[in-house]
Amino acid sequence: QSALTQPASVSGSPGQSITISCTGTNSDVGNYNLVSWYQQHPGKAPKLMIYEVTKRPSGISNRFSGSKSANTASLTLSGLQAEDEADYYCCSYAGSGTSYVFGTGTKVTVL
Amino acid sequence: QVQLQESGPGLVKPSETLSLTCTVTGDSVSSGSYYWSWVRQPPGKGLEWIGYIYYSGTTKYNPSLKSRVTVSVDTSKNQFSLRLMSVTAADTAVYYCARLYGDHDSFDYWGQGTLVAVSS
Repeated sequence: QSALTQPASVSGSPGQSITISCTGTNSDVGNYNLVSWYQQHPGKAPKLMIYEVTKRPSGISNRFSGSKSANTASLTLSGLQAEDEADYYCCSYAGSGTSYVFGTGTKVTVL
Repeated sequence: QVQLQESGPGLVKPSETLSLTCTVTGDSVSSGSYYWSWVRQPPGKGLEWIGYIYYSGTTKYNPSLKSRVTVSVDTSKNQFSLRLMSVTAADTAVYYCARLYGDHDSFDYWGQGTLVAVSS
């Protein structure tokens, strides 16, 4: 099972919106609405930002939103802030055999 | 507040077995909705799911590691553990324990991570 494909880096200015893509296959992203997104600051543990494609855990800003079309899921950060600068990883359920596959990770830079 | 804390040796010799324990506070490993998981991250690289255990003892492993991995649970100590056999330098990574919420298939709580280096 290969990792889901994400762009290596995405950047934006404060206040702008950026979108991170996460491309999988019919066996994972395309087959289940079970994509989650994680934010990871340097030296820190990942933090859950989105689950089940579009849902935000309690306490997560509504500036973070998720969507999915076919085999590609996306995370949009609106009103970009300096604190959003971090690595972001998607993750998808991939069935009973493989179970869970993460994305390659995207470094978000706030210019 | 749910907290997870990894513990174990930070250095393991090649061909030996890596062993880590995750201590859970603020929740019970016997909770029916959660799967207690291990995820690792090689230095400068991405995340890789290793496997999980349910309180009943049911396990699931990443196929790429399945032949070398064992995850176990000790409900009396509210801990779960990872054993990875026959390690090589490629197993050098930060190892995280995490709670997988089965209803959402997402990892909602994570430990701080522990770096395990494989070197002679």
